[in-house]
Amino acid sequence: DSGVTQTPKHLITATGQRVTLRCSPRSGDLSVYWYQQSLDQGLQFLIQYYNGEERAKGNILERFSAQQFPDLHSELNLSSLELGDSALYFCASSAAGVYSGNTIYFGEGSWLTVV
Amino acid sequence: GENVEQHPSTLSVQEGDSAVIKCTYSDSASNYFPWYKQELGKGPQLIIDIRSNVGEKKDQRIAVTLNKTAKHFSLHITETQPEDSAVYFCAASLEYKLSFGAGTTVTVRA
Repeated sequence: DSGVTQTPKHLITATGQRVTLRCSPRSGDLSVYWYQQSLDQGLQFLIQYYNGEERAKGNILERFSAQQFPDLHSELNLSSLELGDSALYFCASSAAGVYSGNTIYFGEGSWLTVV
Repeated sequence: GENVEQHPSTLSVQEGDSAVIKCTYSDSASNYFPWYKQELGKGPQLIIDIRSNVGEKKDQRIAVTLNKTAKHFSLHITETQPEDSAVYFCAASLEYKLSFGAGTTVTVRA
């Protein structure tokens, strides 16, 4: 158990809908990362937050947004869902930033299926 | 941004043999190189990492080497066991991002 908690574990929704994925980082970790994993794209970095502020942005679509709350948990919001958004979404956390060489710990992921 | 290439995409080895996975990165400023193991239905788990000021690191049957000049790093698994079967990802960090290779599916044949 990495200590990173993600909910829900599985989610099936229809195209055009909106979903929210939730992540609780490891105790004491200030950085939260979101990754998308699909069969043909591997692990794609979406976004990182550090202590409530956006730190880095990757290949995150405009239909997607995220935030980190004062209690350090994070949510990834996916809207106007398309079939191609079906993937495994991982949250990860680290004590500080990757720049410092901190270990990133991954949660078990949230399986999103868009039908 | 950083681009990480990983080879091979699949690797089948006989139990007890060694497995080697190689990765290259594009940005010489990258300074941290972790390796993750992902089992079916689970999240990636860190197995070993190396920083840019170190050329080699070993942890029991697993070792990683880094060649900064050539911008490549490798994972070596010796005396492979069935439980080593999984997908392995290399990664390289640049500033605040960790970029992953495409993964190597390792199958250890009994």
